[in-house]
Amino acid sequence: DQQVKQNSPSLSVQEGRISILNCDYTNSMFDYFLWYKKYPAEGPTFLISISSIKDKNEDGRFTVFLNKSAKHLSLHIVPSQPGDSAVYFCAASGKTSYDKVIFGPGTSLSVIP
Amino acid sequence: DTGVSQNPRHKITKRGQNVTFRCDPISEHNRLYWYRQTLGQGPEFLTYFQNEAQLEKSRLLSDRFSAERPKGSFSTLEIQRTEQGDSAMYLCASSLGMGAFFGQGTRLTVV
Repeated sequence: DQQVKQNSPSLSVQEGRISILNCDYTNSMFDYFLWYKKYPAEGPTFLISISSIKDKNEDGRFTVFLNKSAKHLSLHIVPSQPGDSAVYFCAASGKTSYDKVIFGPGTSLSVIP
Repeated sequence: DTGVSQNPRHKITKRGQNVTFRCDPISEHNRLYWYRQTLGQGPEFLTYFQNEAQLEKSRLLSDRFSAERPKGSFSTLEIQRTEQGDSAMYLCASSLGMGAFFGQGTRLTVV
């Protein structure tokens, strides 16, 4: 039973436009959400996180939105750049960031120059 | 400190052989995690340590798998009597607080 879902395996976006990556979760005990980025042959790199007490967290071109009632979060990248092309994993953990992190299957983003 | 280090990067082994992977976390991080990733999937949690104590093991971690972190620093993951289904990327991550930092992984191929 997949607790973290990313229903779009891939996404293509034109350079300069907005990329929106979506994620849904089923476990209402999740309290902390993270996005990771992964290039081929490398481990995942932590990108941005959000606590369940917030609905938005912004870091430069990256913004994560959380809709707790819908158990949905999204990552917005604007403007998208070719270097953003990677696999993006949505992840969630329990009451503290120290709990194990459960990952979604990932969305492969291609930013077209 | 250059981050989480995993060795070897690649391992090819024959079915039935034992393999051992090593992870050196970021030095001040007290939490260390092992994950496994197969093609098209996100990383799957295997086990994690706080210092030298192994706090949780996934049911994915069969009795052929064992992980240790003897002095609360580096960790090893051993797979005994490897099977073809063990072929995957094995990822180690460490954490002190917000977010876990991953190594580059060990790619295991069982032939």
